[in-house]
Amino acid sequence: GENVEQHPSTLSVQEGDSAVIKCTYSDSASNYFPWYKQELGKRPQLIIDIRSNVGEKKDQRIAVTLNKTAKHFSLHITETQPEDSAVYFCAASISDYKLSFGAGTTVTVRA
Amino acid sequence: DAGVIQSPRHEVTEMGQEVTLRCKPISGHNSLFWYRQTMMRGLELLIYFNNNVPIDDSGMPEDRFSAKMPNASFSTLKIQPSEPRDSAVYFCASSLAVGNTGELFFGEGSRLTVL
Repeated sequence: GENVEQHPSTLSVQEGDSAVIKCTYSDSASNYFPWYKQELGKRPQLIIDIRSNVGEKKDQRIAVTLNKTAKHFSLHITETQPEDSAVYFCAASISDYKLSFGAGTTVTVRA
Repeated sequence: DAGVIQSPRHEVTEMGQEVTLRCKPISGHNSLFWYRQTMMRGLELLIYFNNNVPIDDSGMPEDRFSAKMPNASFSTLKIQPSEPRDSAVYFCASSLAVGNTGELFFGEGSRLTVL
């Protein structure tokens, strides 16, 4: 099955700085890569996703890049704000429905 | 729509007791997922339903776990008998698209503690 590794497990950044989270996946057939944000005690929510026919996607302060050759994808958050503090999960999908999630990155934005 | 609704939000029970978790997906969504979240194992897919039919239950840990979806607006996840290692947050999620080609909408989760 698909194996997704996510790094780092924790990330502390100064407000206004950028945060980068990286994920690698094992199955070259994976074709869908969403990112979910989970605030403390809350539900995971989709923040951005990318499909294998696109190399980069941006939505305001967040962007995702995909390198299919290297089998890795990254989340970039610019101009971080306190409300960006949360756990971020990457995921990869090979099938119509089965998402394999990374272990999560706890991001703390210091004021 | 109020989103995916789960109940109970918190459940504390003793080992050996039966636990039933409930989920109401978003109206019109045809895919439903049960996930389990723990610190050690992260988010794990337990079972996936499409149009009320179980498609993949390979993530169900063992026979103590069972899930049903009698209609498009209701699903249950049952653990009988429960064990301390079942303690986790159980999320139900629904999606409009076939499988996960679209966004997963998660419920608030049911935090289960088995003593």
